[in-house]
Amino acid sequence: DVKVTQSSRYLVKRTGEKVFLECVQDMDHENMFWYRQDPGLGLRLIYFSYDVKMKEKGDIPEGYSVSREKKERFSLILESASTNQTSMYLCASSALGDTARYEQYFGPGTRLTVT
Amino acid sequence: DAKTTQPNSMESNEEEPVHLPCNHSTISGTDYIHWYRQLPSQGPEYVIHGLTSNVNNRMASLAIAEDRKSSTLILHRATLRDAAVYYCIDRYNFNKFYFGSGTKLNVKP
Repeated sequence: DVKVTQSSRYLVKRTGEKVFLECVQDMDHENMFWYRQDPGLGLRLIYFSYDVKMKEKGDIPEGYSVSREKKERFSLILESASTNQTSMYLCASSALGDTARYEQYFGPGTRLTVT
Repeated sequence: DAKTTQPNSMESNEEEPVHLPCNHSTISGTDYIHWYRQLPSQGPEYVIHGLTSNVNNRMASLAIAEDRKSSTLILHRATLRDAAVYYCIDRYNFNKFYFGSGTKLNVKP
């Protein structure tokens, strides 16, 4: 079974802090994604990576950056956390190729609260 | 932008079939239709996907309209564990999927 793990289920940070959210997948998937989920807004794509050191902006990249130094690991970085970044963050991975053909496997999510 | 429309919520009795509808009027001719579901306090999980023909797997069946502008996810015998938010997903860019707000399915015992 594909397993996508996220470093924390719950995280509380202060405004202005630098925050790292880590995601690891064990199925040798090339594609990895970071989403945030907010009530009434569904899931929105923040960043996408299709290979090591490769990244592509999603719909809402402002205030975020990503790092993919190893194939299995994809990190989301909040450079200076703000209260409007309080949200559920979801990581996903999928096999190489047209992303529409292959299912995405999601982690359990990290609920981040910025105070 | 691509967009899917689904009812906000539906209710079903346990052991009965459930038909969850979705309209995806802007879907392109080569894009697969995906369905995911999200159980409480969990990340979304894949349910099924298809292109033109109806599809079956161990979790559900997917019926796709001939014009591909709509689809229906069929749970043949709903259980309490099927209570979740179900998302019908369309792609509006190569790597970008529209998840929307989904349909919250409530299953009554």
